[in-house]
Amino acid sequence: NAGVMQNPRHLVRRRGQEARLRCSPMKGHSHVYWYRQLPEEGLKFMVYLQKENIIDESGMPKERFSAEFPKEGPSILRIQQVVRGDSAAYFCASSLTRTSKSSYNEQFFGPGTRLTVL
Amino acid sequence: GNSVTQMEGPVTLSEEAFLTINCTYTATGYPSLFWYVQYPGEGLQLLLKATKADDKGSNKGFEATYRKETTSFHLEKGSVQVSDSAVYFCALIDTSGYALNFGKGTSLLVTP
Repeated sequence: NAGVMQNPRHLVRRRGQEARLRCSPMKGHSHVYWYRQLPEEGLKFMVYLQKENIIDESGMPKERFSAEFPKEGPSILRIQQVVRGDSAAYFCASSLTRTSKSSYNEQFFGPGTRLTVL
Repeated sequence: GNSVTQMEGPVTLSEEAFLTINCTYTATGYPSLFWYVQYPGEGLQLLLKATKADDKGSNKGFEATYRKETTSFHLEKGSVQVSDSAVYFCALIDTSGYALNFGKGTSLLVTP
């Protein structure tokens, strides 16, 4: 049973270009979470999606960032007009069902995509 | 909001040494607490968890006890191995009930 897949593992972009990061959740998982790890920082929550729905995007910058999880295919995190400050590791996680305060459903993490903006 | 603070690394130990990585939390109520481990080139893996005060999580020889008196969840292992070399993250569920808040991570290097 394959784990969470992310590609590419490394992505280099020049300022102003677009970055598209892909995440394929574990088989049977319909809940996807994206986190960002800036240099010297812990992982920060960005967005929580279910199939075809954004549940919570409160951690995602309002400008230039968007995320989707279509009915078919991987979840996509898209960053338009990248800037140097977007350089970070972006991690995707998936869970079988929704995690709540009373019932933790483990989030399984992918290996991350390391984005470098030149 | 809920947050964790963990000790800075890197930590370098000899094989069979005792390991402690400190983690303290600030939270509303008593959220579940976690330790994740990231081996080189891999994603984060859940190492252990504790869902309520005084719970002890354990796995692969690692232990951590949820202590509400000291708001701590320190990770310990009695005898580390070279294969334990990794980055360790303390985390908790934030007030949303699903987003994880992580510490900055502590890099551990175990030498033969």
